[in-house]
Amino acid sequence: QSALTQPASVSGSPGQSITISCTGTTSDVASYNYVSWYQQHPGRAPKLLIYDVNDRPSGISKRFSGSKSGNTASLTISGLQPEDEGDYYCSSYTRSATRLFGGGTKLTVL
Amino acid sequence: EVQLVESGGGFVQPGRSLRLSCAASGFTFDDYAMHWVRQRPGKGLEWVSGVSWNSGSIAYADSVQGRFTISRDNAKNSLYLQMNSLTTEDTALYYCVKDIESKASVYHGMHVWGEGTTVTVSS
Repeated sequence: QSALTQPASVSGSPGQSITISCTGTTSDVASYNYVSWYQQHPGRAPKLLIYDVNDRPSGISKRFSGSKSGNTASLTISGLQPEDEGDYYCSSYTRSATRLFGGGTKLTVL
Repeated sequence: EVQLVESGGGFVQPGRSLRLSCAASGFTFDDYAMHWVRQRPGKGLEWVSGVSWNSGSIAYADSVQGRFTISRDNAKNSLYLQMNSLTTEDTALYYCVKDIESKASVYHGMHVWGEGTTVTVSS
């Protein structure tokens, strides 16, 4: 089980939009609409932002949105804010009935 | 308030065993799938194992298959992870996590996380 592929880092200025990609295979991302995204700040537990590709849990800002095309899922953050800075992880359900995480993307708000 | 509290972590020598526990409160525990996710120092997240709401479906990451056993006691609102044949690669912060969908047949999203318990494997 190889990790899903994410860019190591992305950056943006306050107010801008950024997109983080998450590339998998036909054994995971491409075959299931069970992709989720997580935000983690240093020293804190991760927070679920998106599940089932594009659903938001209660309390999560509409600035966070998800999508998927083929074997690549994406997280878009619009109206970037300083508190969005942190690490972001994608995860997918797999054909083996397991979950797989991406390697993580560090978001820097300039 | 939904709460997950892990315990059982500690310092252990390679080859030994450890059992983690997770006490759940604030929700109907036996309605939800549960997971263990770990994070090695300075590294990313790694899903370790998951169990469905009724224990009918259990899965493990390849890295722990055959060494770790997940279980749950719905009467005690508790989740467990029995870890055998530990190696230094198992050194990590272990999180107990509640899935978001109730009585689901697959894992939808890891919604509520505990604060984690640290496992250190070293000689």
